[in-house]
Order: sequence, then structure tokens, then C-alpha cells
Amino acid sequence: DTAVSQTPKYLVTQMGNDKSIKCEQNLGHDTMYWYKQDSKKFLKIMFSYNNKELIINETVPNRFSPKSPDKAHLNLHINSLELGDSAVYFCASSHLDSYEQYFGPGTRLTVT
Amino acid sequence: GEDVEQSLFLSVREGDSSVINCTYTDSSSTYLYWYKQEPGAGLQLLTYIFSNMDMKQDQRLTVLLNKKDKHLSLRIADTQTGDSAIYFCADSIGGATNKLIFGTGTLLAVQP
Repeated sequence: DTAVSQTPKYLVTQMGNDKSIKCEQNLGHDTMYWYKQDSKKFLKIMFSYNNKELIINETVPNRFSPKSPDKAHLNLHINSLELGDSAVYFCASSHLDSYEQYFGPGTRLTVT
Repeated sequence: GEDVEQSLFLSVREGDSSVINCTYTDSSSTYLYWYKQEPGAGLQLLTYIFSNMDMKQDQRLTVLLNKKDKHLSLRIADTQTGDSAIYFCADSIGGATNKLIFGTGTLLAVQP
């Protein structure tokens, strides 16, 4: 009965590879988010989707491409991985304009 | 752009009160939040305050908001070792996007 789930939990890959991280929520929310937390624990929003439409797109390299096949899923595909992409990526969901965002457990990406 | 700042580290003894401080720059904040992140885990919403309030109490947690100085604080009464975690304040840039801007995080270490 997990609310926001992410797969995989850990991802170790080499520079130049392409990888995807998946997120699913079963809370009936209409808005989903991707955040990046770097090695210093600094947490920053990357993208947000509402009803499968992109509504927030921060200054993120276009190697990162989010995809929302339906309201309950938001996946993050990363092309040509770089060392600086190593971080923990958190997915979150909420109702639009709700005060509360629910976070997933995170995916720790390590690029070697 | 928006900026949210916190002190990086706080150490207290078990049973004492902890006060974690946060300053923000955005004048149009709607909600301000406190999130807790335990080691290796995702973020958990602890409490929030609407921008037209100056205080909110929730069991051991007290949030104070000084809108004039753009200062937010979280007081934890009777701090326990289980409260050891990183605490993030976040500012909600509302409107249609519900974008959260997180502070740098404060590591709270509770000594037995």
C-alpha cells in the first residue's frame, strides 16, 4: 500500500549510458514532480506534471526527459549520463494547489 | 530568484528544546513547510503554516513565522534521539504550479 514508489532504489551506471527511473503513485493525485538532491543534500525541483502536462520545467539539461503516460506515473529518462548526474532523485505527488506533497523513497543514481 | 537559507548544523541534548531557523526571500509565499529527512529515506512533511498565520502548534512542534523579517522557525520540545535527521524548510511559490523551493537543510544531532 505504498503511496509513492520509485524504481530502482539504487542505480549504478557508467558515463555515457542512458537510463530511466520510474515513479508511481496510488493516491489519486493529479500532479507529480521530480526533485534532485545533490551530495550536499541540496534539494531542487526539476519538473512537474499536472494531468500528464508539463507545468514546471526548471533549468535542466535536455538530456533529462520526463514522461507521464498517465496521471499515476511519471518517469525520468536520462541520456548520455555524466558524473555530475550522480544524486538522489525524488519523485513526489500532490493535488494541484494542495499544501502537501508526498515524496517517494528516492533513487540513488551513481555514475562512474 | 527565490532563496531559502538555513543554518547547516544543530546539536542538542536529549530532553532539551531544539530551534531550527530559516529565512526566505519571496514576498508572495502562500505556505511555508517543514520537512524531515531521516538517513537514507525520503522527505516527510512535518508541519506547515499558512502565510497569514504567525504561529502554529502541533504536539511537540511549534512553528513561528515572522512575515516582516521573512523568518521561519521550528521548535521541537523535549527533543528525542529519534528526532535526529535533516530538517528542510520550504517555501511554496503558489499559483498554478505549487512549486516548492527548499532550504539548504539543517542537520539536527541529538546527544543522549
